[in-house]
Amino acid sequence: DTGVSQNPRHKITKRGQNVTFRCDPISEHNRLYWYRQTLGQGPEFLTYFQNEAQLEKSRLLSDRFSAERPKGSFSTLEIQRTEQGDSAMYLCASSPPLPNYGYTFGSGTRLTVV
Amino acid sequence: DQQVKQNSPSLSVQEGRISILNCDYTNSMFDYFLWYKKYPAEGPTFLISISSIKDKNEDGRFTVFLNKSAKHLSLHIVPSQPGDSAVYFCAASPATSGTYKYIFGTGTRLKVLA
Repeated sequence: DTGVSQNPRHKITKRGQNVTFRCDPISEHNRLYWYRQTLGQGPEFLTYFQNEAQLEKSRLLSDRFSAERPKGSFSTLEIQRTEQGDSAMYLCASSPPLPNYGYTFGSGTRLTVV
Repeated sequence: DQQVKQNSPSLSVQEGRISILNCDYTNSMFDYFLWYKKYPAEGPTFLISISSIKDKNEDGRFTVFLNKSAKHLSLHIVPSQPGDSAVYFCAASPATSGTYKYIFGTGTRLKVLA
């Protein structure tokens, strides 16, 4: 399968717990993006990696959020001390060096904080 | 401030007829635009793109039109098929930013009636 893979698909956690999501992009794609989507809204940009370098972070990404992409391959998004407002679909996307062809999104991780 | 707006939350069209989905934007720096389709429980799927140097781009049954002076783009689907029933998002980016970070609209739910 050459698509973008995200794990887990669903995560239910108690408020205050830490969670980590993983994204495996298409292997030849050097650009990787994290977006968040809440009900009735479009995806909102969180952060962007080019290879292993995190080049941009949205102000939506509070100090409780951290993302990594070691060795420019897979990426992880960690949320510490989760809050109910963190409940959303977290989408990962990757693209080749010329992203005018559009991103390829994964199926997302749906986080529910109870 | 919503920089990309899809003012019609839903649209119903008969099978075989034309579907027209609209999108307006406010930022004159946007110069690259994408349309995505999203089925429930899946990530968005890239459909078609257009850059600001063009006013039309076609791909099979899908055509995107861009009116830069009006800051308006539209997606035409002809003929519409039941499998086209999904949520459609338009997205815009200032490509010169180098990040290709896209701002998404809130989506239009298309229902194609058999």
